[in-house]
Amino acid sequence: QVQLQESGPGLVKPSETLSLICTVSGASVSRDNYYWTWIRQPPGKGLEWIGYIYSSGATSYNPSLKSRVTISVDTSKNQFSLRLSSVTAADTAVYYCAREGYDWGQGTLVTVSS
Amino acid sequence: QSALTQPASVSGSPGQSIAISCTGTSSDVGAYNYVSWYQQHPGKAPKLMIYDVNNRPSGVSDRFSGSKSGNTASLTISGLQAEDEADYYCSSYTTSNTRVFGGGTKLTVL
Repeated sequence: QVQLQESGPGLVKPSETLSLICTVSGASVSRDNYYWTWIRQPPGKGLEWIGYIYSSGATSYNPSLKSRVTISVDTSKNQFSLRLSSVTAADTAVYYCAREGYDWGQGTLVTVSS
Repeated sequence: QSALTQPASVSGSPGQSIAISCTGTSSDVGAYNYVSWYQQHPGKAPKLMIYDVNNRPSGVSDRFSGSKSGNTASLTISGLQAEDEADYYCSSYTTSNTRVFGGGTKLTVL
């Protein structure tokens, strides 16, 4: 079974860059043909797809976030990461990493506040 | 891209069947047979219940089924149980090679 675990700061200041890492076990982010995905959920609201990176390195992002988002892979650590720049309070959410939709991390709350 | 449209809430009594709709466009739900459904209990990560319109992952009860007609997909839960009370989200591939979620539906078991 594939397991995923998010890690990163729980508090980010406005205008700064949010950075999260997803550590994967039970699969290879570079060799297994899956869409390694980031999804977020603002408190009390619905799910929002952020984007993915495929094993080939191809990426796709939510058009509403595309100018601020970068998803990348660290094959040596079997991790993939999310960077979201110029954050505001509207980016406060639980951030999930997932193997497409099949396996999910437990989620990590990131609050944007000064 | 706009979120897929789901009813905000549905309810049913134990043993009954309910259906949750998910309406998109010809650029997402109507374009491919790649609609998924997720169940989310409070404070928990979503769980995949249906993928590719009508396929159940291993371990998911056969009380859960999916279908699609045109730009609208549906999730049906038969033999409603108290443990089914949760939020449900649909998701679809899009012709832009992205994914989009529905706004979510709160299921209440009366």
